[in-house]
Amino acid sequence: AQRVTQPEKLLSVFKGAPVELKCNYSYSGSPELFWYVQYSRQRLQLLLRHISRESIKGFTADLNKGETSFHLKKPFAQEEDSAMYYCALSGVQGAQKLVFGQGTRLTINP
Amino acid sequence: NAGVTQTPKFQVLKTGQSMTLQCAQDMNHEYMSWYRQDPGMGLRLIHYSVGAGITDQGEVPNGYNVSRSTTEDFPLRLLSAAPSQTSVYFCASSRRGIYEKLFFGSGTQLSVL
Repeated sequence: AQRVTQPEKLLSVFKGAPVELKCNYSYSGSPELFWYVQYSRQRLQLLLRHISRESIKGFTADLNKGETSFHLKKPFAQEEDSAMYYCALSGVQGAQKLVFGQGTRLTINP
Repeated sequence: NAGVTQTPKFQVLKTGQSMTLQCAQDMNHEYMSWYRQDPGMGLRLIHYSVGAGITDQGEVPNGYNVSRSTTEDFPLRLLSAAPSQTSVYFCASSRRGIYEKLFFGSGTQLSVL
């Protein structure tokens, strides 16, 4: 079964400090992974996709198949990064189903 | 463009009542989906559709029906509401599927008493 685990419900860091939001997945094949974000009073939106190898708003995420992880990182946190972050997995090739983690609420303190 | 529009924003039902949550998108997206969000559980896929006339089940389909008669609309029907269906419901769409950017609606907060 496909599963996504975000072990931290809450994460608080100071402005300018590095940020790492953890995401571990359970899937035996080749996964496609995503990070979605919901800012206060905004809709859930895509932050980045593993398949695009992109960096959005200074965030990056590396797929580590050995550790089955897709942690989200940013070297210097900004106050506008405060939001709810969800990691999501699509496993079975061709199946149009996303499995979401429980989410991590990130708070950046001034 | 309005994007993805969900109605209503809030709804209170009594156990056993039926209702339909509406979802419409004006982006000519082929893929549409419904999620429910419960505290501590993230989003769980209820049903999805890859085009008009095509629907399939997600993780938690029981108690819900969907249909896709047009590209624009993807209503979610609760035939006989139960307290376990109290949740926040999100509709999402994308051009062709989950590997493209999903656009989410603003959500419907449903309480079943």
